[in-house]
Amino acid sequence: DGGITQSPKYLFRKEGQNVTLSCEQNLNHDAMYWYRQDPGQGLRLIYYSQIVNDFQKGDIAEGYSVSREKKESFPLTVTSAQKNPTAFYLCASSTLAGSGTGELFFGEGSRLTVL
Amino acid sequence: SQQGEEDPQALSIQEGENATMNCSYKTSINNLQWYRQNSGRGLVHLILIRSNEREKHSGRLRVTLDTSKKSSSLLITASRAADTASYFCATVPSNNNAGNMLTFGGGTRLMVKP
Repeated sequence: DGGITQSPKYLFRKEGQNVTLSCEQNLNHDAMYWYRQDPGQGLRLIYYSQIVNDFQKGDIAEGYSVSREKKESFPLTVTSAQKNPTAFYLCASSTLAGSGTGELFFGEGSRLTVL
Repeated sequence: SQQGEEDPQALSIQEGENATMNCSYKTSINNLQWYRQNSGRGLVHLILIRSNEREKHSGRLRVTLDTSKKSSSLLITASRAADTASYFCATVPSNNNAGNMLTFGGGTRLMVKP
């Protein structure tokens, strides 16, 4: 079945360590996104990519990095520079503006806890 | 930046009652979408309403859009315990140059008591 797969579902990290969250989609979508969600809050955009080998910063990109080497994959690295990384991370994909409705398809999320 | 703001932040009702959630936004939009999130899960798209539409239905869901007031409402009729979730509105700006850039509100937490 088509969809978005995030892994791992739960991740624990010690302070000072970088961690990478995986996001894979088989929907043939051009655009992919990473959002951060804090308890009881809405979603804030970290990074997005509209095409392979290109990505743009969102509202809260500091302390994060991404790559888009393949259409299907958009991994997010939470670096040691992120001061408060404990959060729920959501990956999403969509067709590009003008060719779709703007609907986002989400993965099941990855919960990162810094010990 | 969060454009949409939902009201109320939390809502508790009895099964069978209707639930109404409101969303306000700040800038001109191409469309407005509602999403649902069960606790600890990803978001699921519910319904999309375009800026030239005023009302849309999908099953027990009814969405209205008032562009003059920059507001939308989501009505869930005959609620069920399984409707317990957080509901988010999200907007796509009318100058959608950055590609489907949805901006999400803070959400309404709905609890439906059996």
